[in-house]
Amino acid sequence: KQEVTQIPAALSVPEGENLVLNCSFTDSAIYNLQWFRQDPGKGLTSLLLIQSSQREQTSGRLNASLDKSSGRSTLYIAASQPGDSATYLCAAVRGRSNYKLTFGKGTLLTVNP
Amino acid sequence: NAGVTQTPKFQVLKTGQSMTLQCAQDMNHEYMSWYRQDPGMGLRLIHYSVGAGITDQGEVPNGYNVSRSTTEDFPLRLLSAAPSQTSVYFCASSYSGYGVTEAFFGQGTRLTVV
Repeated sequence: KQEVTQIPAALSVPEGENLVLNCSFTDSAIYNLQWFRQDPGKGLTSLLLIQSSQREQTSGRLNASLDKSSGRSTLYIAASQPGDSATYLCAAVRGRSNYKLTFGKGTLLTVNP
Repeated sequence: NAGVTQTPKFQVLKTGQSMTLQCAQDMNHEYMSWYRQDPGMGLRLIHYSVGAGITDQGEVPNGYNVSRSTTEDFPLRLLSAAPSQTSVYFCASSYSGYGVTEAFFGQGTRLTVV
């Protein structure tokens, strides 16, 4: 059974700092890994999706990497801003069953002005 | 472009009442799923569907029913609500073909059972 772990559970940084959020998974037979952002009381917004054949994806200040052999993904946020404050979730999909996402519990990020 | 739409956004039920959470998507996605999100537990899969007329159980299916009569709609039914079903419910859809398989989520339904 796939298990997804996110460390740390919470992170507080000053504005402007570069930061890395970690996601690890136990089953390396993943098809893709998706990073989401969730604001308090809101739904999930997709940030980046990395397919198993890729090693990284970039969108603006965000860069996500995937290392299947070590069972790890990282989300790098450059020049953090207070508006980046949210919970960040990673989710792994096994095989092509992308109707079954296995989620980590998330990292609560606070960026202080 | 609406994406995935869930209704209602908030609901309070009494124990034993029944209700249906609605989910609709306008992206012609074959795959649809229901998750619940609880503090300290993350999101867990309740039921999923790979196409009209085809549904299956996820990790936490007890107390919930689903059906899929059209590609667009995937309602979740609570037959007899229990306090343990107090949660935030999310519906998701994704493309079933080859290529990018990003999952899209609705804004959620916050359910309280008293």
